Amino acid sequence: DAGITQSPRYKITETGRQVTLMCHQTWSHSYMFWYRQDLGHGLRLIYYSAAADITDKGEVPDGYVVSRSKTENFPLTLESATRSQTSVYFCASRATGTGWGGYTFGSGTRLTVV
Amino acid sequence: AQTVTQSQPEMSVQEAETVTLSCTYDTSESDYYLFWYKQPPSRQMILVIRQEAYKQQNATENRFSVNFQKAAKSFSLKISDSQLGDAAMYFCAYRSEGGATNKLIFGTGTLLAVQP
Repeated sequence: DAGITQSPRYKITETGRQVTLMCHQTWSHSYMFWYRQDLGHGLRLIYYSAAADITDKGEVPDGYVVSRSKTENFPLTLESATRSQTSVYFCASRATGTGWGGYTFGSGTRLTVV
Repeated sequence: AQTVTQSQPEMSVQEAETVTLSCTYDTSESDYYLFWYKQPPSRQMILVIRQEAYKQQNATENRFSVNFQKAAKSFSLKISDSQLGDAAMYFCAYRSEGGATNKLIFGTGTLLAVQP
């Protein structure tokens, strides 16, 4: 029962390259999220998705692109990586409906842009 | 917009002692949820405890309890009988009740060290 899987776990890329971080969930949760974690900033929302083909910007979307053609996948693409995008990236999912939570987080991808 | 503030970047506690982590938030909403998440070095995000704003009673989960002061917009976490395994980054988080995004808003985190 993998739940939510992020890949790769670590990635080093060069400035200007395109890189895609993968996120896959096995529960058919409606909501999916991408956060970045930086020291002194906590976790900040990049993009989120309420369902397949429905995505919207979060707090820090610039330089990122997402897609959600299937409910279970929510890839995050850095179109032209910059050093400021060096961070740990977390994917999360949640079932639809009200209630307190049911959030599940992936184990994160540590991305270094050199 | 809602914000969450954790004013203690780092805290330290002796094993078996009690420590309190602070969290304040700003919102104009009356219905919401508050959470404390633990992040050990493995980077896993672990839900420690949650509080529904409509509940006056403070939530408790074993050695973890909260002091929820709705009027003061304060949500502190108390860890009793601290253990070495409690050493981690702790994040306070907020979520609106309802709304379209279901997003969590996080504080900047408090790094807790537990001294043997």
